Order: sequence, then C-alpha cells, then structure tokens
Amino acid sequence: GAGVSQTPSNKVTEKGKYVELRCDPISGHTALYWYRQSLGQGPEFLIYFQGTGAADDSGLPNDRFFAVRPEGSVSTLKIQRTERGDSAVYLCASSPQSGTDYNEQFFGPGTRLTVL
Amino acid sequence: AQSVTQPDIHITVSEGASLELRCNYSYGATPYLFWYVQSPGQGLQLLLKYFSGDTLVQGIKGFEAEFKRSQSSFNLRKPSVHWSDAAEYFCAVVPTSASKIIFGSGTRLSIRP
Repeated sequence: GAGVSQTPSNKVTEKGKYVELRCDPISGHTALYWYRQSLGQGPEFLIYFQGTGAADDSGLPNDRFFAVRPEGSVSTLKIQRTERGDSAVYLCASSPQSGTDYNEQFFGPGTRLTVL
Repeated sequence: AQSVTQPDIHITVSEGASLELRCNYSYGATPYLFWYVQSPGQGLQLLLKYFSGDTLVQGIKGFEAEFKRSQSSFNLRKPSVHWSDAAEYFCAVVPTSASKIIFGSGTRLSIRP
C-alpha cells in the first residue's frame, strides 16, 4: 500500500513569510508524528498526534510553530514568521496506534524547507 | 540528561571489510532501541530494533546489533560491507514511557572501493 506522503517536497520562502507543510499518513494509522532534521543532525521530535488531538507537543520550538490534524488523518505543520534558522527537512511519520505498547513509525520522504 | 550518543561522525571502510558503528544511550531504564539508515534523497528506513529478550538482534541487509546493558550500548555491525551500504546511520531510542523517537546525531558511512 501507499506509504506516508509529504507535500511539497521542497519549499523555498523568504524570511518572515508563513508556510504550511502537509503530511498524509498511511491509511488507518491513528498516530502521527512530526520531526525536524537540521543539516548534519539527527531528526528531532516536534509533535505527536493521537487521533485529532496533540498528545505531546513538547518539541515545538516556539509559538511560531503550530500543527493540526482536524479529521484524524492528514496533518498540517504551520510555521509563522519564518526565520533562516527554520531551514531544515521536516519529516512526518505515522504508526498504527500508540499507547502502552510501541508501534513502529513509518517515515515519509520529508519536506525540505529553505528560508532565504 | 537523557541522550543518545554516536561518537563517530564519519567512518570510511573498504568494501568487503567488517563494520561496527557505536551507540551509547543515557536513560534511567532500558528504552526501546533502534538503528535507522538514511540514504541521500531517501527516507528513514528501519534496520533493526530491540525491545527485550535476546540481546543480539538481526536486521535487514545483513546488519545486526548487540545490546549491552552494562555499557548502555547498542552497537551496529555488519561482517562485510557493500558499496550500497554508504549512507547515514542513526541510532535511536524510545523511552518506555513515551512514544517519540530520540535520535543520535548520526554516523556517515563511506565505502572505499
């Protein structure tokens, strides 16, 4: 079946602009995660959804970052007033369920965001 | 502080040679442990995982890893590398009380012909 998809694959924007990054999880996966991977680093956790609600948003760096998942499927990561330091690859992952048992997360190809 | 350490930023080995990539973690209890590979332009792919039981785990592409509780280590090994193994390798943990993955900073593997 189809894997996790992310759009756009590349996004170039100017400092101060607003951007939206989209993630389509694997069908039926209730858990969805966002990570950010800066150049030369490992991915860093941003936020985790279980269904429609954010179960853990402790990784969001500041209030310019916000994410939604209104129908429990597609998620959008929103970044306001972008800064050059926001340039990174934004990864999305989904898993069948979450709770007391760990379920493997399947990653999308990422969106490369460049802020000029 | 909780952390995952990959001490080697870049390793170069000859094709056909053996490989060991190091990983140490710092957590109060044994977390779930993983190794991922990321090739240029490719997404993250899970190589293997350890949850409990046998401390030597086998993964895809001929990789294996050994969990050593006394050393808080989870090193990745392969007996004979192929040119296609050139990639970035990430050790990762999931604390048993959480769901998010915590990644190390990665080790870039180059293969010498």
